Amino acid sequence: GDSVTQMEGPVTLSEEAFLTINCTYTATGYPSLFWYVQYPGEGLQLLLKATKADDKGSNKGFEATYRKETTSFHLEKGSVQVSDSAVYFCALSDKRGSYIPTFGRGTSLIVHP
Amino acid sequence: DGGITQSPKYLFRKEGQNVTLSCEQNLNHDAMYWYRQDPGQGLRLIYYSQIVNDFQKGDIAEGYSVSREKKESFPLTVTSAQKNPTAFYLCASSIPRDRASGYTFGSGTRLTVV
Repeated sequence: GDSVTQMEGPVTLSEEAFLTINCTYTATGYPSLFWYVQYPGEGLQLLLKATKADDKGSNKGFEATYRKETTSFHLEKGSVQVSDSAVYFCALSDKRGSYIPTFGRGTSLIVHP
Repeated sequence: DGGITQSPKYLFRKEGQNVTLSCEQNLNHDAMYWYRQDPGQGLRLIYYSQIVNDFQKGDIAEGYSVSREKKESFPLTVTSAQKNPTAFYLCASSIPRDRASGYTFGSGTRLTVV
């Protein structure tokens, strides 16, 4: 079945550092890919998405490119802020799974001043 | 503004009690979902409903029950049969069978057994 694998955290960075959170997936069809963010004590929020190969999703300085050849959707940001500290979830959605998203286990990001 | 409202934010349950978590949405979404989140385990699907008066078990449905009598509402009951109910519960909604729309989540209910 479908699966999503994220790098384990926590990822600890200093403010203004470059961020990469790796995400790879396994799916038999042509899934859509998503990144969600969860701030402490809150629900998840959709951060960005991409629906086909080579699409780039972007929002709030974060970017991720749908790479079909490497089955990856890595999250990047050029300069992180303390306010970016949160848990980030990669997810996919496709027809085989009745479009119910498959989530990764989440990666915690801690940004120090 | 449209969104999902979960209540209460914090809930305490005594041993042997049933408790009901509320989830209401005004997004006009047909599909609604309940997830359980435990530290370090990501999200696990409890139940989902893609249309009124119909719902399906997810991966960890044992000890839980739901109803879907109205499009806007999808309450979750944690029964006494659920032996380890302490967790953070998240409700979500979406356009069903739409691979591109993504989920909208509520802000969660933290349930603690006392």
